[in-house]
Amino acid sequence: GAGVSQSPSNKVTEKGKDVELRCDPISGHTALYWYRQSLGQGLEFLIYFQGNSAPDKSGLPSDRFSAERTGGSVSTLTIQRTQQEDSAVYLCASSPRSRATGNEQFFGPGTRLTVL
Amino acid sequence: GESVGLHLPTLSVQEGDNSIINCAYSNSASDYFIWYKQESGKGPQFIIDIRSNMDKRQGQRVTVLLNKTVKHLSLQIAATQPGDSAVYFCAENFMNRDDKIIFGKGTRLHILP
Repeated sequence: GAGVSQSPSNKVTEKGKDVELRCDPISGHTALYWYRQSLGQGLEFLIYFQGNSAPDKSGLPSDRFSAERTGGSVSTLTIQRTQQEDSAVYLCASSPRSRATGNEQFFGPGTRLTVL
Repeated sequence: GESVGLHLPTLSVQEGDNSIINCAYSNSASDYFIWYKQESGKGPQFIIDIRSNMDKRQGQRVTVLLNKTVKHLSLQIAATQPGDSAVYFCAENFMNRDDKIIFGKGTRLHILP
């Protein structure tokens, strides 16, 4: 029904802990993206899933970051051993990748991660 | 190119004036372009798109211009209003391949009263 949803909306964690961020894309959208946005800055690409293809992980900043997309739908972004510089808003977007309708991305509201 | 944590340039415009936000894209093979608007505390939202077989497309109060020769995209907003204050991002994509969408650096539009 609705748009892209993300959970939690806010996450406060201690340095060194692992966190999992969840994204529920729009049903039927084959493409899913994760971005990171620090305060007052642009969008930093992290990872891209398209159908059954191998994900494009070229934007992941370190091996502490990983993501999976199960069954071509829900995606989880995992950050291990969090650091203070990981604090940011993590945005998820999905897209239908249709030549008829275009490749518009629909963004979720984001998860604000704060690492103390 | 991709935005990687740079502070955003700001454009200040008087309320009621027209705004022009510019963007240079990176891939000459890109054939689909999108403008997004991001208000404070929200995710980016679609404004308008254009395919490479066009050089101009108009929406409600917005016009996108595409110059493929110099890989330049612009967004024109007519009669800017306070609600237009936001960060604006351009994005490019090569639809004939499964390439990811690439975002530009973004421009903060500030409307002066």
